[in-house]
Amino acid sequence: GGIITQTPKFLIGQEGQKLTLKCQQNFNHDTMYWYRQDSGKGLRLIYYSITENDLQKGDLSEGYDASREKKSSFSLTVTSAQKNEMAVFLCASGDRGPEVFFGKGTRLTVV
Amino acid sequence: GDSVTQTEGLVTLTKGLPVMLNCTYQTTYSPFLFWYVQHLNEAPKLLLKSSTDNKRTEHQGFYATLHKSSSSFHLQKSSVQLSDSALYFCALPTGGNNKLTFGQGTVLSVIP
Repeated sequence: GGIITQTPKFLIGQEGQKLTLKCQQNFNHDTMYWYRQDSGKGLRLIYYSITENDLQKGDLSEGYDASREKKSSFSLTVTSAQKNEMAVFLCASGDRGPEVFFGKGTRLTVV
Repeated sequence: GDSVTQTEGLVTLTKGLPVMLNCTYQTTYSPFLFWYVQHLNEAPKLLLKSSTDNKRTEHQGFYATLHKSSSSFHLQKSSVQLSDSALYFCALPTGGNNKLTFGQGTVLSVIP
C-alpha cells in the first residue's frame, strides 16, 4: 500500500498572506488533486494534474495556484488568504481513473 | 453539467436500526458512482463503487444498487453500529473520468 502525506497539518495565516500547502504520494499515481472541504459544502475541486508539469483548473481555482514539480509531489498556494477563512484542504491521488486515495488534510485558519 | 445531490445533511439513528442515505446524480455519460466515508479527523476512503445497472454491490455491511432509471445510488445498511458514525460522500466521475464530483455529504450519527 501507499500513503499520502500532507504538510503542514495545521496552518495559521494572516489576512493577505501567501500560503503554501504541500502533498507527497508514494503510490506512483499519475493524477493528483487538491480539494477544499467546507462544512456543509462537500468536497470541491481546486486543481488537478494528470502528469508531471500538467495543471488543470477545477471549479474553485480562483485565488489559488498549484505546481506539480514531480510525479510524487503536488503543492497548492493560497495567493492571498482571506480573513476568517477556515477550511480543510485535502490532497488525493489516483491511477488513470476516478478512484482516488486521500491524505488527512491541512487545516487552514486565517486570523 | 454533471452533478451529485445528497439530500440529507445529518441523519441521527439509534444503534441497530437500518439506514438509507440518498444519492442522486445527473450526467450525460454512462455513470458509475462511488461512496466515500470519512471518520472524524481521518482521510476520506472508498467504501463502495457501483457495478452494472440494477446490480447490488456490498462492502463492510453497507450496500448500494445503481438504478439508472431513477439516477440513484442510495447507500444502505441493515443495522448501524456506533462505529458507523462518520461523514458519507457520494461521488461521480466527470471530466472524462479524470476527476470526481462529490455530493455535499451526509453526516451519520449513531447513538446508543
